Amino acid sequence: GAGVSQSPSNKVTEKGKDVELRCDPISGHTALYWYRQSLGQGLEFLIYFQGNSAPDKSGLPSDRFSAERTGGSVSTLTIQRTQQEDSAVYLCASSPDSKNEKLFFGSGTQLSVL
Amino acid sequence: QKEVEQDPGPLSVPEGAIVSLNCTYSNSAFQYFMWYRQYSRKGPELLMYTYSSGNKEDGRFTAQVDKSSKYISLFIRDSQPSDSATYLCAMTNTGGFKTIFGAGTRLFVKA
Repeated sequence: GAGVSQSPSNKVTEKGKDVELRCDPISGHTALYWYRQSLGQGLEFLIYFQGNSAPDKSGLPSDRFSAERTGGSVSTLTIQRTQQEDSAVYLCASSPDSKNEKLFFGSGTQLSVL
Repeated sequence: QKEVEQDPGPLSVPEGAIVSLNCTYSNSAFQYFMWYRQYSRKGPELLMYTYSSGNKEDGRFTAQVDKSSKYISLFIRDSQPSDSATYLCAMTNTGGFKTIFGAGTRLFVKA
């Protein structure tokens, strides 16, 4: 595809359930980022991948959050035992290299935890 | 104190007005300064990108960076209803992998 693809676009889940969010970056982009956007808030950095490696996981809000990237392409963000405060838009972005001045974002996954 | 401060607005202007959007920041290591535009239910898209201090113009848009004051601006000339969106400033440092975003300013341009 031409752009960053995220799925699902919307996810409603019950408190305590696990969810998986998927990101397909632009083909050939080596860097991949996950951000979280809460209502009225800026983008909160979660994690960055260069290839399949994540040099810094300190942005993940808690140990309920994990992410992986396989084959230098698709990435999955997993949230275990979801809480209401996890409700937000989860945005994925990719960049052609590790110079992150130009990020290409997907449309995001709107997560609602009831 | 946040690393990047941005007035969330909303800012409402008539069509044809000049719009000024601003951010301040605290980290003097920031070297790259960006403006992203975000339409409702969409991801942000890169609008302007500037390295270090100075001005950059692209059509109706002008980005300014004043590193001595730690202040960046985006000017929109002859604003159009299609410019109605949220504008996020963003910045990063050389060799850094984390782009820091402002909270975004919501802009409404009335026809």
